[in-house]
Amino acid sequence: AQKVTQAQTEISVVEKEDVTLDCVYETRDTTYYLFWYKQPPSGELVFLIRRNSFDEQNEISGRYSWNFQKSTSSFNFTITASQVVDSAVYFCALSEALEYGNKLVFGAGTILRVKS
Amino acid sequence: EAQVTQNPRYLITVTGKKLTVTCSQNMNHEYMSWYRQDPGLGLRQIYYSMNVEVTDKGDVPEGYKVSRKEKRNFPLILESPSPNQTSLYFCASSPQGGLPYEQYFGPGTRLTVT
Repeated sequence: AQKVTQAQTEISVVEKEDVTLDCVYETRDTTYYLFWYKQPPSGELVFLIRRNSFDEQNEISGRYSWNFQKSTSSFNFTITASQVVDSAVYFCALSEALEYGNKLVFGAGTILRVKS
Repeated sequence: EAQVTQNPRYLITVTGKKLTVTCSQNMNHEYMSWYRQDPGLGLRQIYYSMNVEVTDKGDVPEGYKVSRKEKRNFPLILESPSPNQTSLYFCASSPQGGLPYEQYFGPGTRLTVT
C-alpha cells in the first residue's frame, strides 16, 4: 500500500535559519504525484506544490524549494531564511490510484515552529 | 469566489445524536471527498465521490455515510456519533478524479462527541 513518512514530528528554528522538512514515500504505481500542503494555526489547508513522478527537476518558489529524488523515494521541502509566519503544520501527500480516480495519502505532518 | 464551504465549523454533540456536516463547492468539480485529521495520523480519507450518485469508501468509512445527489453538495452523515469520531473534518473537491489535480479543501469542521 502507499505510504508517506514524515519522520520529523516537530522542528523548532530561530527566524532566518534554513530548515528542511523530510518526506519519504512508498508506492507501487509507476506514475504518481506528490504534494505539499501547509496548515497554519488558523486550520485551513493551503496547497503548496504538486510534482509528478516523471519530473525530477527541483523547484524553487521564493523562499521555498523542493528536492525530488526518485532514487531515494524522497520529496523534501526547504524553507530558506525562515520567518515566524512559516510556523505551521506541513503535510506531504502522495496520490494513490484507485479503480476510478485517485486519492491522497498523507503523512502524519511536521510541526514547524519559527521563533523570533 | 471559488471555494469549498463546510457547515458547521464547530460542533459539540453527545453520543448517539445523529448529525450532518454539509459540504458545498461552487467550482463545478466532479470529484469530492471527506477526510478526518487526527494528531500523529495526518489526514485519512473517509469517503469519496467521483460524480453524482457515485460514491465509495476510503480508508476509514466506519460510522459514516455520505450522499451525492447534486454535483455541488457532498454531506457527511454520522448516524450515531461516538467519542472516537471526535476529530477535525475536511471536505475537498477537484476537477476530476481521473488525474490527481490539486484538491481544494474546505475550512474544516471541528467535531467533539461527548
